[in-house]
Amino acid sequence: GAVVSQHPSWVICKSGTSVKIECRSLDFQATTMFWYRQFPKQSLMLMATSNEGSKATYEQGVEKDKFLINHASLTLSTLTVTSAHPEDSSFYICSARPHRTGTTYEQYFGPGTRLTVT
Amino acid sequence: RKEVEQDPGPFNVPEGATVAFNCTYSNSASQSFFWYRQDCRKEPKLLMSVYSSGNEDGRFTAQLNRASQYISLLIRDSKLSDSATYLCVVPHRDDKIIFGKGTRLHILP
Repeated sequence: GAVVSQHPSWVICKSGTSVKIECRSLDFQATTMFWYRQFPKQSLMLMATSNEGSKATYEQGVEKDKFLINHASLTLSTLTVTSAHPEDSSFYICSARPHRTGTTYEQYFGPGTRLTVT
Repeated sequence: RKEVEQDPGPFNVPEGATVAFNCTYSNSASQSFFWYRQDCRKEPKLLMSVYSSGNEDGRFTAQLNRASQYISLLIRDSKLSDSATYLCVVPHRDDKIIFGKGTRLHILP
């Protein structure tokens, strides 16, 4: 149990286009989903916290108009990278927190999406 | 002190040896900690959680030193498959978690 999927797993796009990444909790409901970004040889950096039915909370330095997050249901959150540029090339990983009483910091990670902007 | 700090390594260790590395944290109020393992180009996977009494799971032992504000991970009888990056994770306010930059471990045959 506690499986999180991401789609696509790998995407190449041209500079200036937009890319949507989906994060789904397959066998549980997730009130909260988190979006991380990881550059080569760097750690995961939290970009935003996505709560079902409400606006996402963005970390300092993350442009909310560039990284659009929608959490329309308890099993799906999407991250759209708008007007992508080469510096947005990175490994994007989502995680989902189960909608149940449990460990506050319990998170399950998706397999990640590797974005390359040319 | 940084919120979470780890020695990036790499630690090059012969197979069968014991290896240990630490992670220091700045928030003295933190109550629980986690070690994650991340393989190259993969998502992180939870390895162990660490509470006040430490934790042991097979060849892996995690300890917490609250006075000095660090947690440790010890791997005994290391296997080639243990080669990975080990991420220290510390809860932050607002239910977020902070990842360390990770310690790279290479087990040598």
